[in-house]
This record gives sequence, structure tokens and C-alpha cells, in this order.
Amino acid sequence: NAGVTQTPKFQVLKTGQSMTLQCAQDMNHNSMYWYRQDPGMGLRLIYYSASEGTTDKGEVPNGYNVSRLNKREFSLRLESAAPSQTSVYFCASRRGVDSPLHFGNGTRLTVT
Amino acid sequence: TQLLEQSPQFLSIQEGENLTVYCNSSSVFSSLQWYRQEPGEGPVLLVTVVTGGEVKKLKRLTFQFGDARKDSSLHITAAQPGDTGLYLCAGAGDKIIFGKGTRLHILP
Repeated sequence: NAGVTQTPKFQVLKTGQSMTLQCAQDMNHNSMYWYRQDPGMGLRLIYYSASEGTTDKGEVPNGYNVSRLNKREFSLRLESAAPSQTSVYFCASRRGVDSPLHFGNGTRLTVT
Repeated sequence: TQLLEQSPQFLSIQEGENLTVYCNSSSVFSSLQWYRQEPGEGPVLLVTVVTGGEVKKLKRLTFQFGDARKDSSLHITAAQPGDTGLYLCAGAGDKIIFGKGTRLHILP
């Protein structure tokens, strides 16, 4: 059972380049989330999808877009990367409102 | 905006000592979760507390949820080097909002 799978694991971009971070879960979970983690800042919510077909902004959505492609997949797109987006990005999913989050192992992104 | 304040941010103690980590908010949460994160991995759930005043034990870890459901604490008895890691509290609802975490280092 793979759980939550994120690709790629590492990525280096130049300022202004675009890329999409992929996330897939095989637990039939309804809700999916994208967080970024920076030193001393904990995990900050970028966007989430409470159910298939819906997406909502989190705490730090600027500079990002998301797509809930189907129940399994939730992608995060950076249209024009900036050095401030250098971070570790985590995708997570959960079954319902008081259920625990299941995390992927993260994507380490560096923007130069 | 719901905020969760964790303290302390860093803690380095000797093996065998006890410690407490705090998680405080001005908001009421339907439940509060504690996660632990190892380097290079995503956080993993330790416990969920739901009822005001609730106490849950997980071996040497004791979790409390405040009566008003705004704050929580994690107490570790006789800390061991294997307890080293980043501990995160999170308030549950439609979104899950995390505190900044407590980085714990247990010295052998």
C-alpha cells in the first residue's frame, strides 16, 4: 500500500520557470492538501480540496494554482517560480474532518 | 485567522529527563492532533484529542486537551534518544492548521 506518493522528490528551477508537483493517494480519501515547510515556520497550508471537484485557498496561496484531477490526484502548479518559493512541499490526504492527515515524503524545491 | 502557538521552539535535554511541550490558541477547535516528523519524511500522527479535558497516553507520552478546547500539552516521561524529532500540533476543521513545531533533541 503506497499511501501518498509525491513526484518529483527534488527539483531545481530558475526564476520565472514553471512546474507542476504531482500527488496521488491510493487510500480512497476525500480530502487532499498542499503544505509548504520552511525552517522555523512549521507547515503552512497552500491550497486544499475538501472533496473531488472543489478547491479552496489556504494560508499562503499566492503564486500557486491547484487542480483536483480526480479523487486520487491533486497537483500544485507554480506558473512563474520565485526564490521565495524555495521550500519543501508536502501533499497530504485524509478521509474526513476529524481524521488524521497522511503525508507524502515531500518535494524539495530550490528556485535560483 | 486561527493561530496555534507552540512552545518551546527548541528543547535539548538529557536522556531520562521529563519535558512538556505546549500548544495554545485563541480559537476553539473541534479536535487537536499531535504529529511527529523525522528528517526527510512527512509528519506522522501520534494522537487526536477531541473532548475538553481529555487525557490520552501513548507509552511514555501523555497528551492533554484543555477544558475549553483551545490548548493542549504533550508530556514525555524519561525521554530517550529515540524521542528526538519535530513535534507539531494541529487544529482540525475543514482546514488543518499547524503550529510552528517544537524541535526536540534528547542527548544520550
